[in-house]
Order: sequence, then structure tokens, then C-alpha cells
Amino acid sequence: KNQVEQSPQSLIILEGKNCTLQCNYTVSPFSNLRWYKQDTGRGPVSLTIMTFSENTKSNGRYTATLDADTKQSSLHITASQLSDSASYICVVSYILTGGGNKLTFGTGTQLKVEL
Amino acid sequence: NAGVTQTPKFRVLKTGQSMTLLCAQDMNHEYMYWYRQDPGMGLRLIHYSVGEGTTAKGEVPDGYNVSRLKKQNFLLGLESAAPSQTSVYFCASSYPGAGANVLTFGAGSRLTVL
Repeated sequence: KNQVEQSPQSLIILEGKNCTLQCNYTVSPFSNLRWYKQDTGRGPVSLTIMTFSENTKSNGRYTATLDADTKQSSLHITASQLSDSASYICVVSYILTGGGNKLTFGTGTQLKVEL
Repeated sequence: NAGVTQTPKFRVLKTGQSMTLLCAQDMNHEYMYWYRQDPGMGLRLIHYSVGEGTTAKGEVPDGYNVSRLKKQNFLLGLESAAPSQTSVYFCASSYPGAGANVLTFGAGSRLTVL
């Protein structure tokens, strides 16, 4: 069964600190992996995408890594800000036998940044 | 540029009532989707459309119907609402092909069925 599991479920950190969110998946055949940020009461917004051949990709203070062999990805947030408080969702795309892509969503990590 | 707009944002229904959620996108995207988001679960696909006049079932289609009469609009209908349909509903759109997993989401519609 294709699954995406994220950890931790929730996290509280102080402003200015770093944190790392984890995503493990069993999706196969893998196409790509995308991290979304979802603010409270809003829809998810894409942060970054990782393809099979990419190990690391950065977007400002966000750095995503991918290990396709172990089927793990992480999202590292540097120098956290209050505005980083949100749910971070890992979404894995896999290739359908008849063509096209299907997305499997993780349940998200709820991050709260405090003063 | 509005992106993806959902209406209404909030709605309370009684069991058995019907309603329609409207999704409109101004990005000329071919693909449109309806998801539901429930506590402790990932977003689940209800129905989707790969073009005007075409719709298909997702993971959890029971109790819902959809229509895509115009490319920019995707309607989600509940014919006889049930408490199990209490959820936050998200519409999304994307380009086809390699861009199909780059979703642009609406702000969500929170539905409560009493």
C-alpha cells in the first residue's frame, strides 16, 4: 500500500532555532516528492519539489533532502520565524500503470514557533 | 490574479440537505480537483477533472457529485448531506503532464453537517 508518514506529528520551537521535519514513504514507482506549507485556515502552498535524481534543494531558509534508496525526505528550517508556524505536508507522486500521476498526502507536521 | 477561489467559505447544513461548492480558477489550468481534509488524515481526493466536460472518481467519491461545464469552474455537490461529510474541502488546479503534481489550492470551504 502506498503510504506517506511524517514525523513528528507536532513540534514547538523557539524563534531563531532550527528544526528538521521527516517524511518516509512507501510509494512506488516514485515520481517526485513535494513539500507544502499550510497556514491555519488556508490552502497548502508548494515550498519545493524533489525528483529522483536530486539529493538536496534549498528555497531560502528551507532545505529539503531526499534519499530515494531509503525512501526518506527531510525538510530543514533554519533560523525559524513566527511566520513559519504552520502545518508542513509531504506529498509523494507516483506513476500509474496506465499513465499519469497520483498524489499521496502525508498527514503533516504541525510546527509552532514561539518567542 | 486571484488563483483558485472557493465559495462559500463556511456552511452549516442539516442532515439530508443538499448544497453545491463552487471552485473557480483563472490560470487556464486543464486539471481541477476536489479534496477533503479531516483531522489526523492526509488530504483525500474526492473527484477530479482533466478537462472541460470530463470528470473522474478519486479515492472517496461516495455521496458527492461534480460537474465541469466550463474550464474555469469545478462544482462539488452533496445531494443528501450526512454528518460524515463534515470536513474542510479544498479545490485545486494544475497543468497536465509533468505539471500535474504542482497544485494550486484554494483557501478551503469548511462544511458542518448537523
